[in-house]
Amino acid sequence: AQSVAQPEDQVNVAEGNPLTVKCTYSVSGNPYLFWYVQYPNRGLQFLLKYITGDNLVKGSYGFEAEFNKSQTSFHLKKPSALVSDSALYFCAVRVDTGGGNKLTFGTGTQLKVEL
Amino acid sequence: DSGVTQTPKHLITATGQRVTLRCSPRSGDLSVYWYQQSLDQGLQFLIQYYNGEERAKGNILERFSAQQFPDLHSELNLSSLELGDSALYFCASSVGLSTEAFFGQGTRLTVV
Repeated sequence: AQSVAQPEDQVNVAEGNPLTVKCTYSVSGNPYLFWYVQYPNRGLQFLLKYITGDNLVKGSYGFEAEFNKSQTSFHLKKPSALVSDSALYFCAVRVDTGGGNKLTFGTGTQLKVEL
Repeated sequence: DSGVTQTPKHLITATGQRVTLRCSPRSGDLSVYWYQQSLDQGLQFLIQYYNGEERAKGNILERFSAQQFPDLHSELNLSSLELGDSALYFCASSVGLSTEAFFGQGTRLTVV
């Protein structure tokens, strides 16, 4: 079965410092990977995706993610964190189901950026 | 704003009742997905429609059903509601079958 794991329930970082939110995946075939962010009482917002090509993917709000096939990881990164980045982050893998598809999400990582 | 509209935003209902959640996808999007988010189960895929046809099904309960109409809006029907059905229900849409999905703000269902 295709799955993603987010090993950290919470990540704390000081504003201005780099941040990393970890994600590992398990898929058969080529992985299609996504990051979404959820602010309180809001829906999920798409940040970025990896389908093929460059291992470093750039997304919205200054976020980027590094795809590493040998380590089956897709970590989300930002060079300089902002307090406004505090939110719940989800890694997801797209699973094709023969005619359709679905996203399988990780359990989420709460990012807290402090002054 | 993702462009995906869900109504209502909040819904409180009693056990045993039936409710309908509505979703209008982004303009031009043919694919609609429904997800359930709860504290114990996390984000779970329920069902996908593409241009009116069911294309993928997750662990959707038999008490739940969905459809996508010719104007591409979708409805999720939940019946014989139980306390455990209390959750945030998201609709998402995408242009095609292989593009990223954009989520609505969700409907928070509380069953009392």
